[in-house]
Amino acid sequence: QKEVEQNSGPLSVPEGAIASLNCTYSDRVSQSFFWYRQYSGKSPELIMSIYSNGDKEDGRFTAQLNKASQYVSLLIRDSQPSDSATYLCAVNRGGFQKLVFGTGTRLLVSP
Amino acid sequence: SQTIHQWPATLVQPVGSPLSLECTVEGTSNPNLYWYRQAAGRGLQLLFYSVGIGQISSEVPQNLSASRPQDRQFILSSKKLLLSDSGFYLCAWRGRGLQETQYFGPGTRLLVL
Repeated sequence: QKEVEQNSGPLSVPEGAIASLNCTYSDRVSQSFFWYRQYSGKSPELIMSIYSNGDKEDGRFTAQLNKASQYVSLLIRDSQPSDSATYLCAVNRGGFQKLVFGTGTRLLVSP
Repeated sequence: SQTIHQWPATLVQPVGSPLSLECTVEGTSNPNLYWYRQAAGRGLQLLFYSVGIGQISSEVPQNLSASRPQDRQFILSSKKLLLSDSGFYLCAWRGRGLQETQYFGPGTRLLVL
């Protein structure tokens, strides 16, 4: 079992729809969770971080964390073609100095 | 504010040649530093990380090495490149706390021919 798992996609949604990206992790002691966006040929950029159970909203983005289910998700409302990218989920386990990354979900938003 | 630099941006090298990629961070002190490689269409592979000057942890066996000669400088090297070393090399920095965010540099695209 991979430490951090994501569906590779592609996830295709029409412009204006809600895109839902999911991530599961295996280590229950994980404490910090991050979503990165990576455009083709570019380096990853941070979108959201979440540390507590529940929802965290930032503009069109909402991160959801459920530690009991070991599940993190990212919702993108009013999806735009410019949101088309690969979204990486990352997890930091307690006491460790490195993040563990999933392999990413490719999102395609069609006009 | 903090910034992270990598150079060169792109590099084409023959098989068997040496390699030196440099990463520097500004605006922070005593960061954790990381080298990742991303092969075409693949996920991020952590190669090395460092929690301080001269301290290097290797994540995967390979013909690459890393060094941290100064607090905010991280260097990735190879004595003899292999075709399989081609990829997108990313440097990243992160603060010390558990909730600290990790930030990536712009990357170096390496093609070994």
